[in-house]
Amino acid sequence: EPEVTQTPSHQVTQMGQEVILRCVPISNHLYFYWYRQILGQKVEFLVSFYNNEISEKSEIFDDQFSVERPDGSNFTLKIRSTKLEDSAMYFCARGGVAGEADTQYFGPGTRLTVL
Amino acid sequence: AQSVSQHNHHVILSEAASLELGCNYSYGGTVNLFWYVQYPGQHLQLLLKYFSGDPLVKGIKGFEAEFIKSKFSFNLRKPSVQWSDTAEYFCAVNGGSSNTGKLIFGQGTTLQVKP
Repeated sequence: EPEVTQTPSHQVTQMGQEVILRCVPISNHLYFYWYRQILGQKVEFLVSFYNNEISEKSEIFDDQFSVERPDGSNFTLKIRSTKLEDSAMYFCARGGVAGEADTQYFGPGTRLTVL
Repeated sequence: AQSVSQHNHHVILSEAASLELGCNYSYGGTVNLFWYVQYPGQHLQLLLKYFSGDPLVKGIKGFEAEFIKSKFSFNLRKPSVQWSDTAEYFCAVNGGSSNTGKLIFGQGTTLQVKP
């Protein structure tokens, strides 16, 4: 199964700055997800996105976070004002093809470091 | 609350040894179960999945897992590990009350295979 690509691979930012993480699916899918993994902790669900709308979000996904698919291709996660505790690996995932929408295929991740 | 628990945090084996990694879940309703692997420096890759049918599922690279509904378990097995199996292994669940496909992950098990 083709996966997704993510850019950048590593982002360093100052606390309070805005960051945009990008996810580019190789093929056209409807289901997208963002997860994060703080160093040493488990992978945590942030948000699911279906048909250009948020379908579910976690408690972590507060007003500082937003997602969009501005051009029908790139899927972005924006953090408006980063905090130290936002430092983590951020993974984008896409759903599978019809009939296995529950299977997710992950991108390589973006390592976000907030200083 | 929905949760996934992996009992082994760090496992060290010699090549050719057999592997069993435990995974238990707490989840209401029908579930889909997954094992993902993350090789050093790489992204999460799907090893195998269970949706329905035969509770013994076979995945890539000789891995298999058995779904035991009565025990809420989905343990991962491999009869003979190789040095290249050194990686982090994640059990994950979706379904239940969520219809968006979000995955709930266990905390991961680091497998180190000594040559």
